[in-house]
Amino acid sequence: KQEVTQIPAALSVPEGENLVLNCSFTDSAIYNLQWFRQDPGKGLTSLLLIQSSQREQTSGRLNASLDKSSGRSTLYIAASQPGDSATYLCAVSPTGANSKLTFGKGITLSVRP
Amino acid sequence: DTAVSQTPKYLVTQMGNDKSIKCEQNLGHDTMYWYKQDSKKFLKIMFSYNNKELIINETVPNRFSPKSPDKAHLNLHINSLELGDSAVYFCASSQYPAYEQYFGPGTRLTVT
Repeated sequence: KQEVTQIPAALSVPEGENLVLNCSFTDSAIYNLQWFRQDPGKGLTSLLLIQSSQREQTSGRLNASLDKSSGRSTLYIAASQPGDSATYLCAVSPTGANSKLTFGKGITLSVRP
Repeated sequence: DTAVSQTPKYLVTQMGNDKSIKCEQNLGHDTMYWYKQDSKKFLKIMFSYNNKELIINETVPNRFSPKSPDKAHLNLHINSLELGDSAVYFCASSQYPAYEQYFGPGTRLTVT
């Protein structure tokens, strides 16, 4: 059974800092990995999706990497801003084109002005 | 334009009642999902439909019944509501199974 872990559960940083959010998963047989952002009381917004054959994906100040063999992904946020404050979740999809995403519990990020 | 929409946004009801949550996507996607986010914010899949056919049916009570009248809609009907059903329910869609998923704003269900 796939398990996704995100540690720490919460993180507080000053504005402008570069930061890395970690995600680990127990079963390396994944089809893809997706990073989401969730603002309080809102739905999830897809940030980046990495296919199992890819090593990384970039979008603006965000860069996500994937090391499938070690069961790890990182989300790098450059020059953090208060508007980046949210909960960041990673989720993995298994091989076999099964669309069942398994989510981590998320990391709640607070960027202090 | 809202990509994935859900109604209602808030739903407060008493135990034993039957309620429905509606979901619509205007992205032209083939696959739709229902997720439940509990009080600890843990998100777990409940159902998935592809082209109106059920492809994922997790271990949920059979009081929960999804219905997909067409590819753009996936509704969730809940019978005999219980206190433990209180949660936020999210609808999502993707072009095809295992593709990038897009989420609706959620429906906060409170059972009293």
